[in-house]
Amino acid sequence: AQTVTQSQPEMSVQEAETVTLSCTYDTSENNYYLFWYKQPPSRQMILVIRQEAYKQQNATENRFSVNFQKAAKSFSLKISDSQLGDTAMYFCAFYGGATNKLIFGTGTLLAVQP
Amino acid sequence: KAGVTQTPRYLIKTRGQQVTLSCSPISGHRSVSWYQQTPGQGLQFLFEYFSETQRNKGNFPGRFSGRQFSNSRSEMNVSTLELGDSALYLCASSLPPWDTSSGANVLTFGAGSRLTVL
Repeated sequence: AQTVTQSQPEMSVQEAETVTLSCTYDTSENNYYLFWYKQPPSRQMILVIRQEAYKQQNATENRFSVNFQKAAKSFSLKISDSQLGDTAMYFCAFYGGATNKLIFGTGTLLAVQP
Repeated sequence: KAGVTQTPRYLIKTRGQQVTLSCSPISGHRSVSWYQQTPGQGLQFLFEYFSETQRNKGNFPGRFSGRQFSNSRSEMNVSTLELGDSALYLCASSLPPWDTSSGANVLTFGAGSRLTVL
């Protein structure tokens, strides 16, 4: 069974600085997708970034980028130039195999301090 | 383009009652998934529907059920409510997994329905 682990329950970063959120996963699948979702205090879950496992190149979306290490089963999220609006719960998620469902980690609560 | 719409946003029920939650997916999305979010258990998969058929089901008791209509709108029902059913219920829609576009497998979530069971 696939599992997703986020070992950092809470993190804090100063505005304009860079922060990295960690995520590891376990799977026997070769083809899968990994996601980072953001859930601000308003509770709307928003997709931050997506990575296909077959792509070696790390995905980037403006200030957000990932470090995808397939062999190590690691998928970290780097947020550059942190902004107050980045304050949210961040969930790492796995989608693959025949499960047809997202498997979420427990989340990392990120606080961006002014 | 309208997002995923969930109704009601908030509701309060008492133990033993039943509740029905509604989800309207993004236009063109035919796959709808439901998740339960609680502080203790995190985000847990309930079920997924595509073309009015349940394709996958999570590990929840039979009190939790759902359905999908021909217009892709979905409802979930919880019968005989228990205190532990208090949660945020999230609906998400997506293109089917076998869609080869870049949007495949990307779930877009609604704002959720906050259920409180007293």
